[in-house]
Amino acid sequence: AAGVIQSPRHLIKEKRETATLKCYPIPRHDTVYWYQQGPGQDPQFLISFYEKMQSDKGSIPDRFSAQQFSDYHSELNMSSLELGDSALYFCASSSRAQGAYNEQFFGPGTRLTVL
Amino acid sequence: KQEVTQIPAALSVPEGENLVLNCSFTDSAIYNLQWFRQDPGKGLTSLLLIQSSQREQTSGRLNASLDKSSGRSTLYIAASQPGDSATYLCAVITSGTYKYIFGTGTRLKVLA
Repeated sequence: AAGVIQSPRHLIKEKRETATLKCYPIPRHDTVYWYQQGPGQDPQFLISFYEKMQSDKGSIPDRFSAQQFSDYHSELNMSSLELGDSALYFCASSSRAQGAYNEQFFGPGTRLTVL
Repeated sequence: KQEVTQIPAALSVPEGENLVLNCSFTDSAIYNLQWFRQDPGKGLTSLLLIQSSQREQTSGRLNASLDKSSGRSTLYIAASQPGDSATYLCAVITSGTYKYIFGTGTRLKVLA
């Protein structure tokens, strides 16, 4: 069965650079979520999209922005990177059309390292 | 504000033991609760999902129960194996939201 795809899997950037993380949800899933997991911490919700519209917002810095495209893939754009942005970034998808609180399926994550 | 806590934070057991991991949440108005496994530096593997109307779910050697009124869930692992060594996370979706709030995790080590 198809899973959530995230790219790249690993990314190394310098401070003050920008980064773009991509997420391809499971086919026919209409909702995408982004989570950030810092070293030794539990995942924290950043932002979510349903049918290409932002549906919920968590502790996402103003330096970050995200969107969901017409093919339902999503991109997380991160600017003016800081050392503290080094983390594992997860994308998850679900099908709200099949039930609002259906299981979220998580991708393998993108490990971002800021030097 | 929903807060999710897991006890114990770390657990080390000999192979073959049955064990229980605990998850508690402060707001009992949840839509579902999901248990995950995470290996070091790796992604999240979904283990069990319990909808708010359900009391328990089972998969193989795993059994998860949910008591919404008391704000608790337990993950029972039977006949533990060294391959079960990982961090186990519970996460809840609170009423009125669609996002998961994760617990602090239990780091399990099963000794051969």
